[in-house]
Amino acid sequence: KNEVEQSPQNLTAQEGEFITINCSYSVGISALHWLQQHPGGGIVSLFMLSSGKKKHGRLIATINIQEKHSSLHITASHPRDSAVYICAVYSGGGADGLTFGKGTHLIIQP
Amino acid sequence: DVKVTQSSRYLVKRTGEKVFLECVQDMDHENMFWYRQDPGLGLRLIYFSYDVKMKEKGDIPEGYSVSREKKERFSLILESASTNQTSMYLCASSLPGLGLSETQYFGPGTRLLVL
Repeated sequence: KNEVEQSPQNLTAQEGEFITINCSYSVGISALHWLQQHPGGGIVSLFMLSSGKKKHGRLIATINIQEKHSSLHITASHPRDSAVYICAVYSGGGADGLTFGKGTHLIIQP
Repeated sequence: DVKVTQSSRYLVKRTGEKVFLECVQDMDHENMFWYRQDPGLGLRLIYFSYDVKMKEKGDIPEGYSVSREKKERFSLILESASTNQTSMYLCASSLPGLGLSETQYFGPGTRLLVL
């Protein structure tokens, strides 16, 4: 079973700051997902990565397959970015290959 | 847009009751999932279904069963609810893709309290 570690667990920052959330995993993967969960429960998928880098608006996700590490960056952070960010990896083999990190709780203060 | 709906947002049940949580998706996805989410533990997979009548156990299937009689509907059943099953339950669906690597679309969640 893959082990997924996210850091930091909690992050409070001021509006406008550049934010980085990290995800490390122990076993090689075929895909990594970044998810966002706002208060109230709804989860949305932000990115799916298997290599390289993806950008969507102010969000950038990168992955280094050799180092088994991914980062999610938020540029020009805004209070509406306050949410829990979850890293999930899939390393094959059916349901056993799906592992979620415990999440990073981000608060952006105005 | 993919829509995944869950039968209840909040549910209060008594210990020993049989509880049904229902999930419906409208995008003809083959894969459907049931998770529970607890503070400090993150999302944990209870069961996964990759086709009608097909299922696979996740990390924590004990005390739960599932039913998938139609492609769009996936039910989670708590055979005899216990207080340690108080949790947020989330349903998701995805295309089959390469195993489980495809993007999952989540429902709004059901917050279950077992008294």
